[in-house]
Amino acid sequence: SAVISQKPSRDICQRGTSLTIQCQVDSQVTMMFWYRQQPGQSLTLIATANQGSEATYESGFVIDKFPISRPNLTFSTLTVSNMSPEDSSIYLCSVEDRAGGLYEQYFGPGTRLTVT
Amino acid sequence: DAKTTQPNSMESNEEEPVHLPCNHSTISGTDYIHWYRQLPSQGPEYVIHGLTSNVNNRMASLAIAEDRKSSTLILHRATLRDAAVYYCILSQGNLIFGKGTKLSVKP
Repeated sequence: SAVISQKPSRDICQRGTSLTIQCQVDSQVTMMFWYRQQPGQSLTLIATANQGSEATYESGFVIDKFPISRPNLTFSTLTVSNMSPEDSSIYLCSVEDRAGGLYEQYFGPGTRLTVT
Repeated sequence: DAKTTQPNSMESNEEEPVHLPCNHSTISGTDYIHWYRQLPSQGPEYVIHGLTSNVNNRMASLAIAEDRKSSTLILHRATLRDAAVYYCILSQGNLIFGKGTKLSVKP
């Protein structure tokens, strides 16, 4: 299994500011993903973080709003830009290592973001 | 990715078996059936997955219908810790979460 940590665990931010969330994995993985979970809702995939290239975004999510970095096989960041109260959610990082024979996804504990 | 249909909620008694159903009538031949669960205030965790044959692991069993249009996650003896939202997901790649089934376990 993979152990995933996220920083910060929670934050309260003002409208119009940006927050960068970090995701660290304890082993090298091929696939990293970012999800959003709005209050009382299920998870929505934001994007796949690709190592060494631009992230692949799902419909409804754009790079200008959610820029993603993936500098290596164990680390990724998600920035929530120009925040509004509608961005208040839990943001989760997950990983999957198909090359290593794993087919399960492992999720981080999430970052709880409140925008005021 | 194909859609799944699950009951919104189910109740179980502690130490009794639980059968969580999932319908996926539009499943394609290469879709895997995944089950994840999300305990309160935690990220989802992998439970089990299968393609055609029934699967068992230390957490649960997965029974897949012969036509693959439905499946059932079986928890053999529910504990209070099993109270969670259970997601049935069809995937050939990325996981697309539906609303899941909220399982309550009564002592």
